[in-house]
Amino acid sequence: SYELIQPRSVSVSPGQTARITCSGDALPKQYAYWYQQRPGQAPVLVIQKDTERPSGIPERFSGSTSGTTVTLTISGVQAEDEADYYCQSPDSSGTYWVFGGGTQLTVL
Amino acid sequence: EVQVVESGGGLVQPGGSLRLSCAASGFTFSNYWMSWVRQAPGKGLEWVANIKLDGSERYYVDSVKGRFTISRDNAKNSLYLQMNSLRAEDTAVYYCARVGRGIDAFDIWGQGTMVTVFS
Repeated sequence: SYELIQPRSVSVSPGQTARITCSGDALPKQYAYWYQQRPGQAPVLVIQKDTERPSGIPERFSGSTSGTTVTLTISGVQAEDEADYYCQSPDSSGTYWVFGGGTQLTVL
Repeated sequence: EVQVVESGGGLVQPGGSLRLSCAASGFTFSNYWMSWVRQAPGKGLEWVANIKLDGSERYYVDSVKGRFTISRDNAKNSLYLQMNSLRAEDTAVYYCARVGRGIDAFDIWGQGTMVTVFS
């Protein structure tokens, strides 16, 4: 079955830049999406179609792609950005949707 | 306000059944694909099932095929998940989610309903 691979954890100091990667064989063919999930809350879509920011998402959130890897970048990290981040994408057929294992972002 | 609200979670024994419901409001329900996503305690998100606008297409993660059925009633603005032959590994918070227009992703999420399968 299809998998998306993320690092388990990333740590940064406030004001620095956090980069979270997600790797999957179908990513050159399928768009990737990113969600933020704070403890006890439902996920929130923060990046769609690899690089687009939905309405209401701060400009410090951005996405990029290169081959089989997509990257979520958070510039000028703030304490409120501490959360779990998940990538998500369909498999190569587009029928089955998959989440990465999630990355815990810690703001030191 | 655009929102979806889940209900129907609870405690059930292995092999039992449960039906989850999701009430949608603030948008034209029949214009959107809908989904269920789950999250086991302390674990990551897992996509469970999708259903097309009119219910004519349904897709499931392999681990629930043949046991779970996703359905919808557009007249009642409601989404359902019938869960049969439940297993301990089905224990999770179940989220109802709207699939955004033109994207293969979830733009609106409920707060979730907890399902616990215990023996």
